[in-house]
Amino acid sequence: AQSVSQHNHHVILSEAASLELGCNYSYGGTVNLFWYVQYPGQHLQLLLKYFSGDPLVKGIKGFEAEFIKSKFSFNLRKPSVQWSDTAEYFCAVNAGNYGGSQGNLIFGKGTKLSVKP
Amino acid sequence: DGGITQSPKYLFRKEGQNVTLSCEQNLNHDAMYWYRQDPGQGLRLIYYSQIVNDFQKGDIAEGYSVSREKKESFPLTVTSAQKNPTAFYLCASKEGSEQYFGPGTRLTVT
Repeated sequence: AQSVSQHNHHVILSEAASLELGCNYSYGGTVNLFWYVQYPGQHLQLLLKYFSGDPLVKGIKGFEAEFIKSKFSFNLRKPSVQWSDTAEYFCAVNAGNYGGSQGNLIFGKGTKLSVKP
Repeated sequence: DGGITQSPKYLFRKEGQNVTLSCEQNLNHDAMYWYRQDPGQGLRLIYYSQIVNDFQKGDIAEGYSVSREKKESFPLTVTSAQKNPTAFYLCASKEGSEQYFGPGTRLTVT
């Protein structure tokens, strides 16, 4: 079965530190990849997505992610975090109709990011 | 404003009672989804519907039921058969490959 692994459950950083959140997936075919963010008390919202083309994807609020097909990875990065980036981050994969999933998203377990001011 | 609404934000029920969570969208999306979010578990798919009058079980459908009589509505019933119903429930709709989420309903069963 497909799966998505997020390596860190909780990351604590000081403001201005650099961020990298790991995401690996298990499906070997064509995938669409997503990072969603859930700020405290707010909706889950899309941060960025990769469908095809340039493997370095830029999203909102200065976030970017790099798709490395050989490593089955889609890590999220930000050069300098702010207190307002405190949130929970979810990686998700859509593997088309693999296994009859009809294009459903498979989510990782999430990474909580706490940024200290 | 287009979007997905879920009501209520907080819901409390006694054990043994069925409860229905509302999800409405005015985005004109065909596909809709219900997820359950538990701490440290991410989002797990309960049920999904690709089109009106059709729905499919997700990974954790036991103890839940849905209906899809109208394109804009996809209510979820948490039945008394669900062994651990206390959770945060998220509804989503999909356009293309991108899903859009509602604000969620936090259900507490005691």
